[in-house]
Amino acid sequence: DVKVTQSSRYLVKRTGEKVFLECVQDMDHENMFWYRQDPGLGLRLIYFSYDVKMKEKGDIPEGYSVSREKKERFSLILESASTNQTSMYLCAVGDPNTGELFFGEGSRLTVL
Amino acid sequence: GENVEQHPSTLSVQEGDSAVIKCTYSDSASNYFPWYKQELGKRPQLIIDIRSNVGEKKDQRIAVTLNKTAKHFSLHITETQPEDSAVYFCAASKGGSYIPTFGRGTSLIVHP
Repeated sequence: DVKVTQSSRYLVKRTGEKVFLECVQDMDHENMFWYRQDPGLGLRLIYFSYDVKMKEKGDIPEGYSVSREKKERFSLILESASTNQTSMYLCAVGDPNTGELFFGEGSRLTVL
Repeated sequence: GENVEQHPSTLSVQEGDSAVIKCTYSDSASNYFPWYKQELGKRPQLIIDIRSNVGEKKDQRIAVTLNKTAKHFSLHITETQPEDSAVYFCAASKGGSYIPTFGRGTSLIVHP
């Protein structure tokens, strides 16, 4: 059974804090993605990665960075959290053969 | 880059009615069009997809149609049931890279 695990379901942080969101997969796929989900705005791509140590900016990368040190792990980093980064963050793993995305359960971040 | 427009944002139907959600895309090179369903509090999951060499695809009560010339595709759900209530997302991407751009989502409410 496919497994995409996000480290934290709910986080509350203060403005200016550094935030790490971690995503781990057990499918041995190269493609991993971080999306942000906001009501009425759908799923917006923040960053994606094709391989270890490789990263590409998505549509809304400002204020975020990522790390892919191992194939199975893709981390999203907020260097200095701001209130407008309060959102649901979804990690996804892409099947390179079919294009299907497998999503994690999401991490709901509140920045006070 | 790709732009995907999705309508309507909210759709309310009576149980047993049909529901149609429409999406348009901008990049004529896109050739893979998945639909994801996200139930309340759950992760998005693929329910059906279509590739550009096919005009229609069915899976029980759901079907997807694609018009490449007009660059639009639609999700059709027949005989709706309360468990169809969810947010549905369309997406478009190019095969090979499979980096999907999502629509903003449609909240489908099926009234018993």
